[in-house]
Amino acid sequence: GNSVTQMEGPVTLSEEAFLTINCTYTATGYPSLFWYVQYPGEGLQLLLKATKADDKGSNKGFEATYRKETTSFHLEKGSVQVSDSAVYFCALSPWGYGGSQGNLIFGKGTKLSVKP
Amino acid sequence: SQTIHQWPATLVQPVGSPLSLECTVEGTSNPNLYWYRQAAGRGLQLLFYSVGIGQISSEVPQNLSASRPQDRQFILSSKKLLLSDSGFYLCAWSVLGGSGMEKLFFGSGTQLSVL
Repeated sequence: GNSVTQMEGPVTLSEEAFLTINCTYTATGYPSLFWYVQYPGEGLQLLLKATKADDKGSNKGFEATYRKETTSFHLEKGSVQVSDSAVYFCALSPWGYGGSQGNLIFGKGTKLSVKP
Repeated sequence: SQTIHQWPATLVQPVGSPLSLECTVEGTSNPNLYWYRQAAGRGLQLLFYSVGIGQISSEVPQNLSASRPQDRQFILSSKKLLLSDSGFYLCAWSVLGGSGMEKLFFGSGTQLSVL
C-alpha cells in the first residue's frame, strides 16, 4: 500500500541552523510528493511539491528533491528563522488514483521549534 | 479570495454523545471537499471526500458520517461518539491548478477529545 514515514519530532534548532526533516515513502506507480506546513493557529498550507523523479520543489528557502532510487523527499533549509517554527507534514498523492486527486496520504508531522 | 471556516476549534464530548462539526468555504463554487483526521501518534488520514452536493465517498469504515447539504458546506457527524474518535479533524477544499495538479487548502482544525 501507500504510506509516508517522516522523522519523529520535536526538532529544536537555533536560528540560522541547517534543517533537515527526513521523509520516505512507499507507493505503487508514480506518486506526486508534497510538504505541507501548519503554523500555530492556522490551517495546513502547501509549502512545496514535486511531481516526478529528480524534480526539486522549493519555496521560502526550503527545498526537497524527489529521489525515486531512495524513495525519499527530505525537506531542507540552509538557515532557519524563528518564523519557521511550525509543524511540517510530508505527503504523497498516488498516481492513477481512481477518485479525487485530493486524496493525500500524510506522514505524522514533525514539529519544529526555532530558538532565537 | 477564497476562505475556509471550520468550527469549533476545540471540543470535549462524553462517550455516547452526538457530534456535528461544520465546515464552510467561501469564494469558490463546486469545490471538492475533504475531512481528514489525525489520531494521536498517527498521520493525517482521509475520512471522507465529496465532489458535489449529496455525493460522499468514505475512505475508511468508522463511526462517523459526512454530509454535504449545500455546495460549500461539509458536515462531519456521529450519533454516538467513541473514545477512539478523539483526534484532530481537518476540513479541506481543493481546486484544480494551472498545471493540472489539484491543490488543497485546509481549515485550522478541530481538536476533539472524547472522555
